[in-house]
Amino acid sequence: GQNIDQPTEMTATEGAIVQINCTYQTSGFNGLFWYQQHAGEAPTFLSYNVLDGLEEKGRFSSFLSRSKGYSYLLLKELQMKDSASYLCAVSDSNYQLIWGAGTKLIIKP
Amino acid sequence: DGGITQSPKYLFRKEGQNVTLSCEQNLNHDAMYWYRQDPGQGLRLIYYSQIVNDFQKGDIAEGYSVSREKKESFPLTVTSAQKNPTAFYLCATSGVREADTQYFGPGTRLTVL
Repeated sequence: GQNIDQPTEMTATEGAIVQINCTYQTSGFNGLFWYQQHAGEAPTFLSYNVLDGLEEKGRFSSFLSRSKGYSYLLLKELQMKDSASYLCAVSDSNYQLIWGAGTKLIIKP
Repeated sequence: DGGITQSPKYLFRKEGQNVTLSCEQNLNHDAMYWYRQDPGQGLRLIYYSQIVNDFQKGDIAEGYSVSREKKESFPLTVTSAQKNPTAFYLCATSGVREADTQYFGPGTRLTVL
């Protein structure tokens, strides 16, 4: 079967750095997406990785290792507004998105 | 103003009633999707459409129906056959190129009493 694993919840301090991991087992791979979702709102797109390595976008970076079936989202200089759920999704062999359950990130002052 | 609209934001229905959720987009995207989100679970695909007058079942299509008569619109009907309809429903759109990013509407929270 297809599976995406992420930690359920993480806590970090304002101004710090946090890494949210995602491991996947899917039938085929056509890229990995990270989305941010604030409570009660829709997911918003953060990043897309299809090749191995690190993609940097301001305070957010995303890393992919296809051989390990592993990705992480790195958030730097955390702000209170970064309190949200972070969703990992993999595009499978049919280009359908398989979604993880999301990681709820709690930022403390 | 470009975007995806879903209405209403909150919807309450009695058990046994059918209800239709609207999704409209002016992004000129060919593909449209309906997802359901339940607490502690990933998004689950209900139906998707890549072209007008054609749509495909997702993983949990039972108890739902859709139509795609116009490129801009992809309404979802939750029928009385759906056993647990209370959920957050999200509509998304994308291009049809390989791994095009999906963009989401604001969602409709349906509560069946």
